[in-house]
Amino acid sequence: AQTVTQSQPEMSVQEAETVTLSCTYDTSESDYYLFWYKQPPSRQMILVIRQEAYKQQNATENRFSVNFQKAAKSFSLKISDSQLGDAAMYFCAYSGLRDKIIFGKGTRLHILP
Amino acid sequence: GAGVSQSPSNKVTEKGKDVELRCDPISGHTALYWYRQSLGQGLEFLIYFQGNSAPDKSGLPSDRFSAERTGGSVSTLTIQRTQQEDSAVYLCASSLGGASAETQYFGPGTRLTVL
Repeated sequence: AQTVTQSQPEMSVQEAETVTLSCTYDTSESDYYLFWYKQPPSRQMILVIRQEAYKQQNATENRFSVNFQKAAKSFSLKISDSQLGDAAMYFCAYSGLRDKIIFGKGTRLHILP
Repeated sequence: GAGVSQSPSNKVTEKGKDVELRCDPISGHTALYWYRQSLGQGLEFLIYFQGNSAPDKSGLPSDRFSAERTGGSVSTLTIQRTQQEDSAVYLCASSLGGASAETQYFGPGTRLTVL
């Protein structure tokens, strides 16, 4: 069965600095999708970034980028120039083709002013 | 346009009572998902509707949990004879066509507290 592991329950970063959130997953599939979702205190889950496993190029969305290491089954999220509004729970997630999404337990990110 | 809405936003009930949680997906989205998020935990998949296909109920934790989706739109998650361990935030999400690569749009959730 596929699993998603986020080994950092909480992290803190100084405003304007860069932080990396870790995620590893386990699967026997070769084609799949990986996601990072953000859940602020409002509880509204928002998609931050998505990566297709067959694409070697790391996905980037403005200040958010990923380091996708397929062989190592690693999918970390880098947030550059951290802002106060980035404070939230971040969930890493995996999905096979036409399959339900499996979420990790999340990393709570604190932004220090 | 309007996003996914859920009601009520908070529900407090007594142990043993039945509760109904409602989800209004984004108009035109054929796929609808229910998740449960317990305190400090990730999202636990409950059930998935895709168009007119039979729902994937593999995540429902017990037969006290059921869900229906009427007319391919609004969905109701029903929990019968609630227990204290049912206390959690219940999240609903919808996506356009159900393919896993699609973005899921989440509602704000319903916080259920069972006393």
